[in-house]
Amino acid sequence: QKEVEQNSGPLSVPEGAIASLNCTYSDRGSQSFFWYRQYSGKSPELIMFIYSNGDKEDGRFTAQLNKASQYVSLLIRDSQPSDSATYLCAPKGAYSGAGSYQLTFGKGTKLSVIP
Amino acid sequence: EAQVTQNPRYLITVTGKKLTVTCSQNMNHEYMSWYRQDPGLGLRQIYYSMNVEVTDKGDVPEGYKVSRKEKRNFPLILESPSPNQTSLYFCASSLLGQTYGYTFGSGTRLTVV
Repeated sequence: QKEVEQNSGPLSVPEGAIASLNCTYSDRGSQSFFWYRQYSGKSPELIMFIYSNGDKEDGRFTAQLNKASQYVSLLIRDSQPSDSATYLCAPKGAYSGAGSYQLTFGKGTKLSVIP
Repeated sequence: EAQVTQNPRYLITVTGKKLTVTCSQNMNHEYMSWYRQDPGLGLRQIYYSMNVEVTDKGDVPEGYKVSRKEKRNFPLILESPSPNQTSLYFCASSLLGQTYGYTFGSGTRLTVV
């Protein structure tokens, strides 16, 4: 059974601070990692994708991946109240077979940015 | 506009009355999937499809049916809905391959009384 662990939160940060969201996963075959943002009652929205060890930056968002430790994180710099949402971590499986198209979703971390 | 379209957005029905939630995508995606989302349980996969006429069970398939007769459409069928199927449902689609995430529909909030 593939497992994806995220702290459910809520994680509260003041406006302008850095929010750090963490995710661990059990499937060592996972190759790609996706971060989704979900506002309450809305559908998940893809915000970041990473597949190489190290950091990947996109605007105020930085994804960090360490496959040896089976750990992926998302940093949000200069947090804004509009960033308040639940963030879902979703590893993708191996290159072939079922893993090549299946995402396994964590339950998400709820982020609250306080003005 | 590239999108996944679900209908209806909201539905209230009675126990045992068959219903269908439609899902259509205009991106020529091979992969489509249905999820339900409940408080504290996260997204749980119901069924998925890799291509036309190819479907398989996810983690919580009981009480649901699907079909994939056309590449763009993947309807979710509840033959005899029960109150424990009250949930928020999402359809998602994707190209196959490592670099593609899912595109989600807007969701269907179903209440079974």
